[in-house]
Amino acid sequence: GESVGLHLPTLSVQEGDNSIINCAYSNSASDYFIWYKQESGKGPQFIIDIRSNMDKRQGQRVTVLLNKTVKHLSLQIAATQPGDSAVYFCAALTGGFKTIFGAGTRLFVKA
Amino acid sequence: GAGVSQSPSNKVTEKGKDVELRCDPISGHTALYWYRQSLGQGLEFLIYFQGNSAPDKSGLPSDRFSAERTGGSVSTLTIQRTQQEDSAVYLCASSLLGAGNTIYFGEGSWLTVV
Repeated sequence: GESVGLHLPTLSVQEGDNSIINCAYSNSASDYFIWYKQESGKGPQFIIDIRSNMDKRQGQRVTVLLNKTVKHLSLQIAATQPGDSAVYFCAALTGGFKTIFGAGTRLFVKA
Repeated sequence: GAGVSQSPSNKVTEKGKDVELRCDPISGHTALYWYRQSLGQGLEFLIYFQGNSAPDKSGLPSDRFSAERTGGSVSTLTIQRTQQEDSAVYLCASSLLGAGNTIYFGEGSWLTVV
């Protein structure tokens, strides 16, 4: 079935370093992708999105890269801070509303 | 309201009992979603409402699960004859137009079936 997966369940980085969280999706028809951040005990929060007609999009300290050829996207966080510690989910939409989420990557930031 | 509001935030129920979870979406949002998140897992799609269209119930795991949305706003997710495997966080989300628009989540309802 359709799936969105993440390469690593956990990622540990040093404060100030850059973080890269990867995600693979299975449906080549997916046309809209979103990254969410979920802190403990809270609902997921939107971070950044990208449409399939783009391969890169930048936000504040975050960049999303999309490689449609290999069905892969990544989230890059610059100068990672302790407040970035959370679970990060990627999500893919295919021609509509049904958003498929991956299992999540837990990011630990070491001071 | 300012955000998606869910209640109760926590619910402990005995196996076999029915539970109702409520979601109040962001004002003006026409699309409403329910997801389930088991411990350490991703978000499992349950059901989607968009305006007056028939809801997409394709994600509901069994006929013990049902949801309704009254007046195009508040939604209730009902789980009948709860089982221990129903223990999870039930997340509600809404978006302005539905397809391809940012989904905003509530804080979730933590359900524990004992």
